Amino acid sequence: ELKVEQNPLFLSMQEGKNYTIYCNYSTTSDRLYWYRQDPGKSLESLFVLLSNGAVKQEGRLMASLDTKARLSTLHITAAVHDLSATYFCAVDIFRDDNYGQNFVFGPGTRLSVLP
Amino acid sequence: DGGITQSPKYLFRKEGQNVTLSCEQNLNHDAMYWYRQDPGQGLRLIYYSQIVNDFQKGDIAEGYSVSREKKESFPLTVTSAQKNPTAFYLCASRLRDRVNNEQFFGPGTRLTVL
Repeated sequence: ELKVEQNPLFLSMQEGKNYTIYCNYSTTSDRLYWYRQDPGKSLESLFVLLSNGAVKQEGRLMASLDTKARLSTLHITAAVHDLSATYFCAVDIFRDDNYGQNFVFGPGTRLSVLP
Repeated sequence: DGGITQSPKYLFRKEGQNVTLSCEQNLNHDAMYWYRQDPGQGLRLIYYSQIVNDFQKGDIAEGYSVSREKKESFPLTVTSAQKNPTAFYLCASRLRDRVNNEQFFGPGTRLTVL
């Protein structure tokens, strides 16, 4: 059974600081997704990582994937208040029969960026 | 505009009442999903459907039912058997494609039991 963990679950940081959120998963997979959720809102796609060594960047966020270590990181550079949200990673294993397995989501990391 | 719509945005249910949440997508996606999210928690899978006229139970299907008569639509019924249905319900869809299979989410329905 695929399990996805995130660390930390809660993160309070000051503006201008850097930090990394970690996403570990228990079964071999070559695809990982990061989502952002603002309070009371739906999930918004941030990054799609489809191979080992994939790195994607958007603004102050950078995501990477190490499939051998079964680890993805979401790095925050020079945090600003607008980044305050909950961040979810999700892992997916695609079967040869083209049917696919459903996403398994991590528990989420609630980020608060303080002035 | 292509996207996923959910209605209503807010829904109030009386004890013992069945209610149906709507989910429609015009993205031509094959698979559709229903998730439940409780306050401060992650997402839990209720039901999913990979193709029309077929659906599978997720982790917390008890007290819920679905249908998939059309590719574009995947309504969720919360029955009176669901004892604690107050939650935020999210519908999602994706292509069944080896490369391009990102899951997209609708805006959600917030259900409250009175």
